[in-house]
Amino acid sequence: AQSVSQHNHHVILSEAASLELGCNYSYGGTVNLFWYVQYPGQHLQLLLKYFSGDPLVKGIKGFEAEFIKSKFSFNLRKPSVQWSDTAEYFCAVKRTGGGNKLTFGTGTQLKVEL
Amino acid sequence: DTGVSQDPRHKITKRGQNVTFRCDPISEHNRLYWYRQTLGQGPEFLTYFQNEAQLEKSRLLSDRFSAERPKGSFSTLEIQRTEQGDSAMYLCASSFRSWQGKGEQYFGPGTRLTVT
Repeated sequence: AQSVSQHNHHVILSEAASLELGCNYSYGGTVNLFWYVQYPGQHLQLLLKYFSGDPLVKGIKGFEAEFIKSKFSFNLRKPSVQWSDTAEYFCAVKRTGGGNKLTFGTGTQLKVEL
Repeated sequence: DTGVSQDPRHKITKRGQNVTFRCDPISEHNRLYWYRQTLGQGPEFLTYFQNEAQLEKSRLLSDRFSAERPKGSFSTLEIQRTEQGDSAMYLCASSFRSWQGKGEQYFGPGTRLTVT
């Protein structure tokens, strides 16, 4: 069965610091990849997605992620975080051509301090 | 577009009682998904519908759980004889079929179930 690993469970950064959150998945076939964000008191929102093509994808609010197939990774990055980026971030994977479920990682809680 | 809505937002029930949750997807979406999320974990897939057909069920969905989408619009998730281990956030999501778009899933606010 496929699995998704997010190695950083809690991250604390100061405003303007750079962010990189790791995500690795175990499935060897073709996948679609997603990052979702959950701001305090809000529901899960899609931050960015990768289906095919350019492995560097850009999402909302200045976030980007890079798909490295050889490393089974889809790390999330932002060059300069803001206090409003405080949230929980989830990486998710969907196998193409075999079911439609998303498999999520356990999430990374990001706290940005002023 | 009002997004995915779920009702109720919170439910407290006693062990052994039955509960039912409702999900209204984004109106144009023909796929609807149910997930469960417990504290410290990411959402876990339970089941999904394409129109009114239930096409996939997780092993997490025990015999006490049943989901329906009778007219291909809203869906209900019923849990019979609730147990304390059923306490969780139940999330609903919807999407287009992959060939209609990219199939990304949009989530509702969830129903938080507490079984006492």
